[in-house]
Amino acid sequence: QSALTQPASVSGSPGQSITISCTGTSSDVGGYKNVSWYQQHPGKVPKLMIHGVSIRPSGVSNRFSGSKSGNTASLTISGLQAEDEADYYCSSFTTSTTYVFGTGTKVIVL
Amino acid sequence: QLQLQESGPGLVKPSEALSLTCTVAGGSISSTDYHWGWIRQPPGKGLEWIGSLYYTGITYYNPSLKSRVTIAVDTSKNQFSLKLTSVTAADTAVYYCARLIAGVPADYWGQGTLVSVSS
Repeated sequence: QSALTQPASVSGSPGQSITISCTGTSSDVGGYKNVSWYQQHPGKVPKLMIHGVSIRPSGVSNRFSGSKSGNTASLTISGLQAEDEADYYCSSFTTSTTYVFGTGTKVIVL
Repeated sequence: QLQLQESGPGLVKPSEALSLTCTVAGGSISSTDYHWGWIRQPPGKGLEWIGSLYYTGITYYNPSLKSRVTIAVDTSKNQFSLKLTSVTAADTAVYYCARLIAGVPADYWGQGTLVSVSS
């Protein structure tokens, strides 16, 4: 299975909104409502930010939102803050009853 | 509060087997609601899903690693394990154990353990 495709980096100024894309196929992203997003700060354990395409776990800021259209999922961060600077990974369940992660996106707060 | 803790050697020789154990505290590995799995991250690189299992022993593996991976459960010790055979330098990574739930590859993570493959 191939990794889901994400942009290497996305940048924005504080207060702005940014969107990270995650492109797969009909065998993963397009076929299921099981897309998750993780935030990882340097040297830290990844943190679940979104699951089920658009569901925020308890404690995650409502500035984070997820969506999906066809084979592409998206994570939007609104009101960008310095603390949002991190790596972000998407993941999806697949038809092989496995999971696949995205290539990762570095969010840079200018 | 659920806690997962990886344990095992931090250094493995090329061509040998890598073995790690994940101890689950604050919850039962025999819960019917969850699966348990392993994820790795080479230094400076992205996340890779290795595989997962259900407490009954049913397993699911990343196709690219399937020929070398075994994940097993020990319900009496509330632990599960990872064995990766014939390792090379490309298997050097931080290995995380995790709890899976309903289409989510990890909602709880261990702290991760760095395993280096070197002679």
